[in-house]
Amino acid sequence: RKEVEQDPGPFNVPEGATVAFNCTYSNSASQSFFWYRQDCRKEPKLLMSVYSSGNEDGRFTAQLNRASQYISLLIRDSKLSDSATYLCVVMNSGGYQKVTFGIGTKLQVIP
Amino acid sequence: SQTIHQWPATLVQPVGSPLSLECTVEGTSNPNLYWYRQAAGRGLQLLFYSVGIGQISSEVPQNLSASRPQDRQFILSSKKLLLSDSGFYLCAWKGPGTSGYTFGSGTRLTVV
Repeated sequence: RKEVEQDPGPFNVPEGATVAFNCTYSNSASQSFFWYRQDCRKEPKLLMSVYSSGNEDGRFTAQLNRASQYISLLIRDSKLSDSATYLCVVMNSGGYQKVTFGIGTKLQVIP
Repeated sequence: SQTIHQWPATLVQPVGSPLSLECTVEGTSNPNLYWYRQAAGRGLQLLFYSVGIGQISSEVPQNLSASRPQDRQFILSSKKLLLSDSGFYLCAWKGPGTSGYTFGSGTRLTVV
């Protein structure tokens, strides 16, 4: 089983739609969780951290389910500019806090 | 504020040629620095990380090497490039505690 698994998509959604991505992780001792956004041929950029209680940033909501070992990202009212690849990132405890990236889920918002 | 610089942005090199990619960080001291590679259609693969000057750890065996000659400088090198070395190379800096990574703008390397 991969350490971090994501559906690579693509998810094609119309403007204004709500879309959700899940990401599962295998190490139950994982400490920290993030969602990154990567535009085509660009570097990944931090979208948001994921907190145990769930957190929201505008149209984006991230949640963590430790019991089932997955994190989710919900995007409401999708915009064309949301089209990108969304990377799930898991940080484990360790000497240098090992970070594992998912392969990413590609989102295409259609007019 | 902290910034991370990476160059060059694009590189086309023949098989067997050497490689040197440079990454520098500003606005912080003693950062943890990382080199990642992203092959086409694949996830990010950690190549090297460094927790201090002269301290390099390798995650995967390969014909690449890394060096950290100064606190805020991280260099990725190869003596002889292979076709399989093509990819998008990203330098990253990690903040303290459980904060996430900040990536440089990346170098897109094509070995021909």
